[in-house]
Amino acid sequence: AQSVSQHNHHVILSEAASLELGCNYSYGGTVNLFWYVQYPGQHLQLLLKYFSGDPLVKGIKGFEAEFIKSKFSFNLRKPSVQWSDTAEYFCAVNAGNTDKLIFGTGTRLQVFP
Amino acid sequence: NAGVTQTPKFRILKIGQSMTLQCAQDMNHNYMYWYRQDPGMGLKLIYYSVGAGITDKGEVPNGYNVSRSTTEDFPLRLELAAPSQTSVYFCASSFSGELFFGEGSRLTVL
Repeated sequence: AQSVSQHNHHVILSEAASLELGCNYSYGGTVNLFWYVQYPGQHLQLLLKYFSGDPLVKGIKGFEAEFIKSKFSFNLRKPSVQWSDTAEYFCAVNAGNTDKLIFGTGTRLQVFP
Repeated sequence: NAGVTQTPKFRILKIGQSMTLQCAQDMNHNYMYWYRQDPGMGLKLIYYSVGAGITDKGEVPNGYNVSRSTTEDFPLRLELAAPSQTSVYFCASSFSGELFFGEGSRLTVL
């Protein structure tokens, strides 16, 4: 069965610090990969997605993620975080031939001014 | 487009009561989902549907039922509410693998 691991449960950073959130999945075939963000009190919104092509994908608000197939990873990065990036971040995987999106447990990011 | 609309936003139930969480989307998406979100647990898929008349179980279906009589609507029913069903419930629809979420329904079972 597919699974998604996010090893960082809670990350605390100061503004302007660099961010990298880990995401690993278990599935040997073709996958579609996603990062979603949930701001406090809001629903989940798509940050970025990878279906195929360039393994380095750029999303909204300066976020990017790199798909490394050999490591089954899809880590999220941002060079310089802002206070407004405080949110919970979810990695999700959809195996190429299924309709179900499986989520990781999420990483709570707190950014202090 | 209203997107995905969920009602109610908040509800308190007593143990053993039943209720239905409503979900409607106006994007003509075939795929719809119900997730529950619990602190530190991420989102768990309860049920999903690939089109009108077709539903399937997700990771945590016990205690819930769904129906999909139209493309637009995907209600989630709790027959005998239990404290373990206290959670935030999100409905979503998808297109090309991307999910569009509703605002969520916070349910408390006492």
